[in-house]
This record gives sequence, C-alpha cells and structure tokens, in this order.
Amino acid sequence: AQSVTQLGSHVSVSEGALVLLRCNYSSSVPPYLFWYVQYPNQGLQLLLKYTTGATLVKGINGFEAEFKKSETSFHLTKPSAHMSDAAEYFCAVSDDFGNEKLTFGTGTRLTIIP
Amino acid sequence: SAVISQKPSRDICQRGTSLTIQCQVDSQVTMMFWYRQQPGQSLTLIATANQGSEATYESGFVIDKFPISRPNLTFSTLTVSNMSPEDSSIYLCSVKEGTGPYEQYFGPGTRLTVT
Repeated sequence: AQSVTQLGSHVSVSEGALVLLRCNYSSSVPPYLFWYVQYPNQGLQLLLKYTTGATLVKGINGFEAEFKKSETSFHLTKPSAHMSDAAEYFCAVSDDFGNEKLTFGTGTRLTIIP
Repeated sequence: SAVISQKPSRDICQRGTSLTIQCQVDSQVTMMFWYRQQPGQSLTLIATANQGSEATYESGFVIDKFPISRPNLTFSTLTVSNMSPEDSSIYLCSVKEGTGPYEQYFGPGTRLTVT
C-alpha cells in the first residue's frame, strides 16, 4: 500500500526566505508524485508533478521539487517566499500500474511572515 | 485542463436528511473521483466513478451511505444519505483525463455542515 508522510503540519517562513516543504513516500512500484496547493475556501490546484524523466521538476509560481528515489523523497522548494504563497500544501502519490487513485499526505500549512 | 464546477458550493443540512452534490466538467473525461476532506484534515478518497459501471468504493465507504451516479462522461453526483454531524466536511470531485501519468483536476468543493 502506498503512503505519504509530510513532515511539519505547520511551517512559517519570512517573506523572501527559502520555502522547504518535506514529503516522503512509500510505494512498492515506481510512483507518480504530485504537489497540490489549496488556498482558503478553494479546491486543489496542481503545482507540479513527477512521472518519469528529469528528477528536478519545475512548477507554477516559482516552485520546484526533486524526486530522490534513494531517499524516497519529493520535497517542494521555492527560493523566495511571497505573501501570496500562504496556503495548505498537499503531497500525493499514485503508481503507474493501473492504480489511478491518489494517496494524499496530511498537508502542510505554510505561513508567510511579513 | 478541465474546468470543473460543483453545486451547491455550501449547504447546512439537518441530521437525518440527504444531500446530492453535482459535479460538472466542461469536457469528456474518463475517470471521476469523489473525496472527503474533514475539517483540518487531508483528502480521503470515497469512490471512483466511471461511466457505464458501478462506482468503486474505498474501504470504510458504502454505497448505501454515499450513492454515486455517473450518467455520462461530463457529469456525476454524490449523495450523502441519512446525514449526521460527523458528515460535516468538504466534498470534492476530481477528474482524470486518461489512464497513466495524468494529474487529477479538482473542483472547488462543497462545504457541508450537518446540524
């Protein structure tokens, strides 16, 4: 069974500082990995995804994530935080063997300090 | 990317009643999914709804409580039956445009409060 662990349910960073949100996954097969963002009172928006190929993936709003198979990690980063980045971030995993389901992590609430 | 709408956006319902949530997509999609997001929690998959077949429910969710319809490739409904306060959640539908390495797109959600 797949699982996703997001370390840190709440993360606070100063505006302009590095954002690092951690995600580790457990999967017995090659995974597809996703980061979604949820702004208050809204649905989920895809930030980026990893399926195959280049392990460093760039997404929207300046975010990127690196797939590290040896560490079973897919951490999300942004070099310089902006106030508009304040939201809930979810890491999710599915596999490439016909299982179309997404398994979500518990989420990380990102707060930006002015 | 697909554009998804849900109705209603929010509702307050009495214990013991039922609510049907609609999910409409602006294009034909293979797969639709229904998720529940309890207050302050992550998303939990309720069921997968494929057109022309019975919905597939995840462990802990049953058809009598959450009946789902999928009459065509652009529409689905989820009914929350015989509601209790524990059903207060955000219900989200999502779609996937094909099998394999495709992302799911999410609707804005329906915020349900049961009193």
